[in-house]
Amino acid sequence: EDKVVQSPLSLVVHEGDTVTLNCSYEVTNFRSLLWYKQEKKAPTFLFMLTSSGIEKKSGRLSSILDKKELFSILNITATQTGDSAIYLCALIIQGAQKLVFGQGTRLTINP
Amino acid sequence: EAQVTQNPRYLITVTGKKLTVTCSQNMNHEYMSWYRQDPGLGLRQIYYSMNVEVTDKGDVPEGYKVSRKEKRNFPLILESPSPNQTSLYFCASSFTGGNEQFFGPGTRLTVL
Repeated sequence: EDKVVQSPLSLVVHEGDTVTLNCSYEVTNFRSLLWYKQEKKAPTFLFMLTSSGIEKKSGRLSSILDKKELFSILNITATQTGDSAIYLCALIIQGAQKLVFGQGTRLTINP
Repeated sequence: EAQVTQNPRYLITVTGKKLTVTCSQNMNHEYMSWYRQDPGLGLRQIYYSMNVEVTDKGDVPEGYKVSRKEKRNFPLILESPSPNQTSLYFCASSFTGGNEQFFGPGTRLTVL
């Protein structure tokens, strides 16, 4: 069974800290790994990773995929209160075109 | 504005009363999908559609039906809702099944 596991499930830090969110998976064949941010509403797209070892970056957020060790990380530097959200990791399953999500990491940034 | 819309946004109903949640996108996307989100379980895919008249089951299809008669619309039908279908539902779309998906605003459904 395809499985995506995120850790930690919950994280509370102070503004300005750097955080690393983890996504590991047990999926035999996937096209891409996606990261989403979900605040009080719909998930919004952050990154799509297809190749191992290539970092994607957008402002203070960055992400990388390791296909050998079967995980991805999402880094947020100099966190701000507006980064408080649930961060979701998902895999697009090859062939079936299904999307399998992890449980999400609830990140809280305290001022 | 490019968007995915869902209606209604909130719905309280009773067991057994058929309901439909509509989903529409204006981006000419081929791929559309429905998810439910429950605490501790994350987002789980109910049904998806690769194109018009092509639909397939996701991980939790029991108790749901879908149809894709037009490219822009992908309604979710609950023929006989039960309390365990109380959840937050999201519709999403993408150019193809291999691209990032854009989500609608969500429909919060309560079945009493």
